[in-house]
Amino acid sequence: GAVVSQHPSWVICKSGTSVKIECRSLDFQATTMFWYRQFPKQSLMLMATSNEGSKATYEQGVEKDKFLINHASLTLSTLTVTSAHPEDSSFYICSASSGAEAFFGQGTRLTVV
Amino acid sequence: AQSVTQPDIHITVSEGASLELRCNYSYGATPYLFWYVQSPGQGLQLLLKYFSGDTLVQGIKGFEAEFKRSQSSFNLRKPSVHWSDAAEYFCAVDQGAQKLVFGQGTRLTINP
Repeated sequence: GAVVSQHPSWVICKSGTSVKIECRSLDFQATTMFWYRQFPKQSLMLMATSNEGSKATYEQGVEKDKFLINHASLTLSTLTVTSAHPEDSSFYICSASSGAEAFFGQGTRLTVV
Repeated sequence: AQSVTQPDIHITVSEGASLELRCNYSYGATPYLFWYVQSPGQGLQLLLKYFSGDTLVQGIKGFEAEFKRSQSSFNLRKPSVHWSDAAEYFCAVDQGAQKLVFGQGTRLTINP
């Protein structure tokens, strides 16, 4: 099956700093990538849809200025959490669409201290 | 709006026993349905999916699921569970273009 790599797997940062998470489709081109967020013991909630070469579409309630998404190529999307606060601590998972199916990365555990 | 409900937050079964995890969906058209498994701190692994055709779908690790349109259900089953099946299981429906809506998840515990 297709492989989606997410980096880093985990990150700890200080309050007020920014963190960038990468999502790469390794063996296929993904015109669309999705970013999900998962709080402990909860389900995955879609944050935004990232389309190559255009602005991301954010779900209701997600701050676009806080969660910056860039999809500069057909194999890479990045999520930058700006001015991170402890309440941003969560598990972030990306998925990449091959056009027929979405494949998930392994997730990034973000802890803001 | 599409939604997915997993009525059971936590299920405990004995090793070797059969398993059924429930999933109900709300979707106007023929749904594309998925079951994923997540081990602690890990990403999602696709167990199986239903797009069309045979309503009984076979997946990996001995899992199967049956799509029942009349009941808006897509329950996951396994005849005999193994200790390694302990994990969180998510049912999901495709809203379109592979944008998924997930259920709340069911945590499976296996008793030895």
